[in-house]
Amino acid sequence: DGGITQSPKYLFRKEGQNVTLSCEQNLNHDAMYWYRQDPGQGLRLIYYSQIVNDFQKGDIAEGYSVSREKKESFPLTVTSAQKNPTAFYLCASKNVGEKLFFGSGTQLSVL
Amino acid sequence: AQSVSQHNHHVILSEAASLELGCNYSYGGTVNLFWYVQYPGQHLQLLLKYFSGDPLVKGIKGFEAEFIKSKFSFNLRKPSVQWSDTAEYFCAELNFGNEKLTFGTGTRLTIIP
Repeated sequence: DGGITQSPKYLFRKEGQNVTLSCEQNLNHDAMYWYRQDPGQGLRLIYYSQIVNDFQKGDIAEGYSVSREKKESFPLTVTSAQKNPTAFYLCASKNVGEKLFFGSGTQLSVL
Repeated sequence: AQSVSQHNHHVILSEAASLELGCNYSYGGTVNLFWYVQYPGQHLQLLLKYFSGDPLVKGIKGFEAEFIKSKFSFNLRKPSVQWSDTAEYFCAELNFGNEKLTFGTGTRLTIIP
């Protein structure tokens, strides 16, 4: 089955720690996205990537980093510089002119 | 900067009432516009989308939206809501040039039986 796989489903971060959220898709999509969802704030774009080896900052990129070394993978690292990391993180992908597919999300919490 | 505004944060309606949820986008170039719905405990689902052509777009579950370029608006409508429409609704704008996809803050819709 084609789709987007996000792991882990739940993740806990200690203060000062970097953590990486995985996002893998086998849909052969060119564009991939990372959003965080907070109650009352909708989905806010963190980073996005149109093609392999290229990515752009979204609206709230500070404290996050990404890489796009392979078409199917777009991992997100939440660094220690992100002071309010507790949120639900959604990965998504699409091709031009097509609809967006979402992963099932990762809930990140701070210990 | 590209942004999407949804001014209605929480809307409460009785069953069979008509619905209109506001959405304003900012990008003046070629845009694709979307409405997504998130039912309680579920993931986002696409309700409808506008790419080009007829500005009145029909989606699933009886929803429709009208693209009005002069007003930068893409309001969602449904003539008669049902209790099962209780959900959170998100408008989204895609910049066709760089594939940047921006969501609004969402509108929580509560339908009273």
